[in-house]
Amino acid sequence: DTGVSQNPRHKITKRGQNVTFRCDPISEHNRLYWYRQTLGQGPEFLTYFQNEAQLEKSRLLSDRFSAERPKGSFSTLEIQRTEQGDSAMYLCASSLGVQGAGETQYFGPGTRLLVL
Amino acid sequence: LAKTTQPISMDSYEGQEVNITCSHNNIATNDYITWYQQFPSQGPRFIIQGYKTKVTNEVASLFIPADRKSSTLSLPRVSLSDTAVYYCLVGASGAGSYQLTFGKGTKLSVIP
Repeated sequence: DTGVSQNPRHKITKRGQNVTFRCDPISEHNRLYWYRQTLGQGPEFLTYFQNEAQLEKSRLLSDRFSAERPKGSFSTLEIQRTEQGDSAMYLCASSLGVQGAGETQYFGPGTRLLVL
Repeated sequence: LAKTTQPISMDSYEGQEVNITCSHNNIATNDYITWYQQFPSQGPRFIIQGYKTKVTNEVASLFIPADRKSSTLSLPRVSLSDTAVYYCLVGASGAGSYQLTFGKGTKLSVIP
């Protein structure tokens, strides 16, 4: 257990529905990341927060995806109008960013999404 | 972001030392080298990180030659529970994020 929690752990939904995932990072960590992982591939970066500010978004993050981190604590990732191609493991990671140093990201257990 | 190359898979018998080498020819001066381990249906788990020479912790060693164009993760006396995918990544925490770029990793299978 890394101290990063994600809920729910599993989600099955029908195409076209909206889903929301939650990530609770390690409390003192100022950086929070979302990744997506499909079977047989490594995780792919989606977006990044420094405290409450969303500073980077991948081109993978279509406008159906939105992420928030109110008050710089927990974060939510919402997918609107889900498509079957959204089926994947969604991973959250947090870190204590120290500029100019190696940074260690601690990952949560992930939320596995299946879109029918 | 520097690209890494590592073997797709490796097999090892229990109790042996396993060395997984990663190539990162275009590593930048301020890049660190980090290895993660991932079991099925779990998030990646940090194993070890280094900048140069040798780093050792309770689970692994990381060897980095002077030119830093490659690195070797060494797992001493592997057990069945070390069967997992191992990812090598390079990057640095700068003014922006430390966005991790994962490849496909090395699938290590430990055989009894």
